[in-house]
Amino acid sequence: EVQLVQSGAQVKKPGDSLKISCKPSGYSFTSSWIEWVRQMPGKGLEWMGIIFPGDSDTRYSPSFQGQVTISVDRSDSTVYLQWSSLKASDTAMYYCARRNSKMGSAMDVWGQGTTVTVSS
Amino acid sequence: QSALTQPASVSGSPGQSITISCTGTSSDVGGYNLVSWYQQHPGKAPKVIIYEVNKRPSGVSNRFSGSKSGNTASLTISGLQAEDEADYFCCSSAGGNTYVFGSGTRVTVL
Repeated sequence: EVQLVQSGAQVKKPGDSLKISCKPSGYSFTSSWIEWVRQMPGKGLEWMGIIFPGDSDTRYSPSFQGQVTISVDRSDSTVYLQWSSLKASDTAMYYCARRNSKMGSAMDVWGQGTTVTVSS
Repeated sequence: QSALTQPASVSGSPGQSITISCTGTSSDVGGYNLVSWYQQHPGKAPKVIIYEVNKRPSGVSNRFSGSKSGNTASLTISGLQAEDEADYFCCSSAGGNTYVFGSGTRVTVL
């Protein structure tokens, strides 16, 4: 079974750093793009960026460029989303999802989501 | 890269058909046949219900259908059922392996 398992909920203070993870299984890790999607409380989905684990090729939405870093650890088959200095406005649910090139690059498998709360 | 425009809400009675629009530009919706639609129930992760404008993944009801004309994509739900009450989001390629979501539509079954 193909699945993406994300790390657990986080509660942080403004200015803290944070790295959350997404661990795919059930398929060849290096063969499909993985992306991150933000959903702020009560709001819609926002596309943040995407990474190809095979060669670490990474693209960002202009809205998130410079605000977050997407990375991969091929030795551990894990994709990461990190912040160097969190703001209260980073409070949201973050999903990782797999892009399936055989489905017109649709996101066919989603992680369970990681809740990030930033509060002083 | 602005969010694609969707109506905030659409409602219908059981058995009726409803259509949700998703309007972008020639740089996203109009430029690529890579529009997908996602259904999200409260507290759940989104689920793909349409890809490549009008294709359904295995297991998705044929009551869901998609289309596109110019810079506007559409999702039609026919034979509306109570279980269809959810949020719906379109998503389009914006070139260079980047993507953009729609603003989202809340579907209410009356």
